[in-house]
Amino acid sequence: QQPVQSPQAVILREGEDAVINCSSSKALYSVHWYRQKHGEAPVFLMILLKGGEQKGHDKISASFNEKKQQSSLYLTASQLSYSGTYFCGTEEDTGNQFYFGTGTSLTVIP
Amino acid sequence: SQTIHQWPATLVQPVGSPLSLECTVEGTSNPNLYWYRQAAGRGLQLLFYSVGIGQISSEVPQNLSASRPQDRQFILSSKKLLLSDSGFYLCACYCGQDTDTQYFGPGTRLTVL
Repeated sequence: QQPVQSPQAVILREGEDAVINCSSSKALYSVHWYRQKHGEAPVFLMILLKGGEQKGHDKISASFNEKKQQSSLYLTASQLSYSGTYFCGTEEDTGNQFYFGTGTSLTVIP
Repeated sequence: SQTIHQWPATLVQPVGSPLSLECTVEGTSNPNLYWYRQAAGRGLQLLFYSVGIGQISSEVPQNLSASRPQDRQFILSSKKLLLSDSGFYLCACYCGQDTDTQYFGPGTRLTVL
């Protein structure tokens, strides 16, 4: 039930791009993406709904492959403030459960 | 807009002592509420969720329990804490105008000694 994320950790230089992947074994209704700074609650970034609707920020985008139950988060021209742990969260087609992924630690260095 | 309150912010408790963490939500009605735990350096683990008063679903069998005595109140409890209960506890809800977004409270950092 818990989605799997890859990579587990990534280090970037400012201005570089990154892709974080999230994969589930269950049929999904939605995929959410969050960023968490150390010691703080997660902050919502992006939601992708079954059927293709998408919301989010300018330099952060995401895709959702419903057939493969996979989602990818794209960070372009990374900034120091992008550092943190990124979690995907999945809502399955049935039920009210919401599961977080295994997490990806992203560090942006000058 | 909705606001999620959690208290206390930090808590240090001895092994075997009871626990009560409270979460209240303002600015919304009939929210779906969730308790998560995050162990140090690890991901978020769903503990309980509730779709209404008195309705609790448990995801992980353990020595914790949850209750929802009111529509906007969600309580996490334990009769006897274990060392492994240490972690960061987050309350979250699907609430507000954007019902597709899950909002988080500020969290409670629990240390069991």
